[in-house]
Amino acid sequence: GESVGLHLPTLSVQEGDNSIINCAYSNSASDYFIWYKQESGKGPQFIIDIRSNMDKRQGQRVTVLLNKTVKHLSLQIAATQPGDSAVYFCADLSGGYNKLIFGAGTRLAVHP
Amino acid sequence: EPEVTQTPSHQVTQMGQEVILRCVPISNHLYFYWYRQILGQKVEFLVSFYNNEISEKSEIFDDQFSVERPDGSNFTLKIRSTKLEDSAMYFCASSVSNEAFFGQGTRLTVV
Repeated sequence: GESVGLHLPTLSVQEGDNSIINCAYSNSASDYFIWYKQESGKGPQFIIDIRSNMDKRQGQRVTVLLNKTVKHLSLQIAATQPGDSAVYFCADLSGGYNKLIFGAGTRLAVHP
Repeated sequence: EPEVTQTPSHQVTQMGQEVILRCVPISNHLYFYWYRQILGQKVEFLVSFYNNEISEKSEIFDDQFSVERPDGSNFTLKIRSTKLEDSAMYFCASSVSNEAFFGQGTRLTVV
């Protein structure tokens, strides 16, 4: 069945450290993933996406890694800032543009 | 920057009443969605809408729910006979391709 989930509900880091948020999925046919950031009181915001023909994709201060063998992806945030504090969701868009399947979310707390 | 707007931001309704949640998607977008998020939980897909019809819906989206695009700009979610467990944040989103843009949400409280 469809399932996208995260390993840890909360991650606390010091400002300036790198953060790694993990996500596991169960559907081996899934081939397109998106990371979203949700700040308090706001809707999810697109961060970065990756297709299964890639193992790694980099954006500004963010990197997504995809390991299809173990059905795992991660979001790495370099030099974490207080503004990065939010809940991060991985989502599966493998069914086309019609439906995002969200994982449970990891809360990232950045401490000065 | 274009954005998805939702109204109202908060809605309190009595159990059994009908509510209509309103959304104005980004103007050139083709796909429209409703998601909900029960407090502290993950975002759940409800329904997607394309070319003036529902393209996909989840098991949550039963006969209690309906969507409409009445005038080419608004996109509404109607919930009939609300139940306590309908209390949640409801997010509208729109997209032209893979990147869905979400609104700020409507917090629905059923009492």
